[in-house]
Amino acid sequence: AQSVTQLGSHVSVSEGALVLLRCNYSSSVPPYLFWYVQYPNQGLQLLLKYTSAATLVKGINGFEAEFKKSETSFHLTKPSAHMSDAAEYFCAVSNYGGSQGNLIFGKGTKLSVKP
Amino acid sequence: DGGITQSPKYLFRKEGQNVTLSCEQNLNHDAMYWYRQDPGQGLRLIYYSQIVNDFQKGDIAEGYSVSREKKESFPLTVTSAQKNPTAFYLCASSPGQGTTNEKLFFGSGTQLSVL
Repeated sequence: AQSVTQLGSHVSVSEGALVLLRCNYSSSVPPYLFWYVQYPNQGLQLLLKYTSAATLVKGINGFEAEFKKSETSFHLTKPSAHMSDAAEYFCAVSNYGGSQGNLIFGKGTKLSVKP
Repeated sequence: DGGITQSPKYLFRKEGQNVTLSCEQNLNHDAMYWYRQDPGQGLRLIYYSQIVNDFQKGDIAEGYSVSREKKESFPLTVTSAQKNPTAFYLCASSPGQGTTNEKLFFGSGTQLSVL
């Protein structure tokens, strides 16, 4: 069975600081991995996805994530946090050959950005 | 504008009452999904449908029912059998299953509370 674990339910950074949101996955087959962002009282938006091409994936809003098979990790980073990045972030793994509909979501990490 | 519309935004249920959450999409997507979101729990799949007149149970289908009579509509009924219905419900759609380039589109959600 596939699963994802997000380390830290709440992360707080200062504006301009590095953002690092951690995600570790468990999968018996090569995984497809995703990061989504959710703003308050909204649905989810796809930030980026890993589908076995390049291990460093660039997404929207300056975010990127690196797939590290040896560490079973897919951490999300952004060099410089902006106030508008405050939101909840979800890591997810697909359990059907890349289809995003049958996703297994992590429990989410709420990012706060201090001025 | 193309997208997914969920209504109502807020819904209240009385004891023993069935309530129906609406989800409509004009993206011409084949697949539609219902997720339940609880604080600190991530998203859990309730039901999904890959094609009209067909749907499958997700991880937490008990106490819920769906129909898919039209491609653009996938209503979710929360029945009286669901003893803990208070949650944020998210509807999503995608072009279809099995394509790694698919993007999952989410509605803006319905907050259901018990009176």
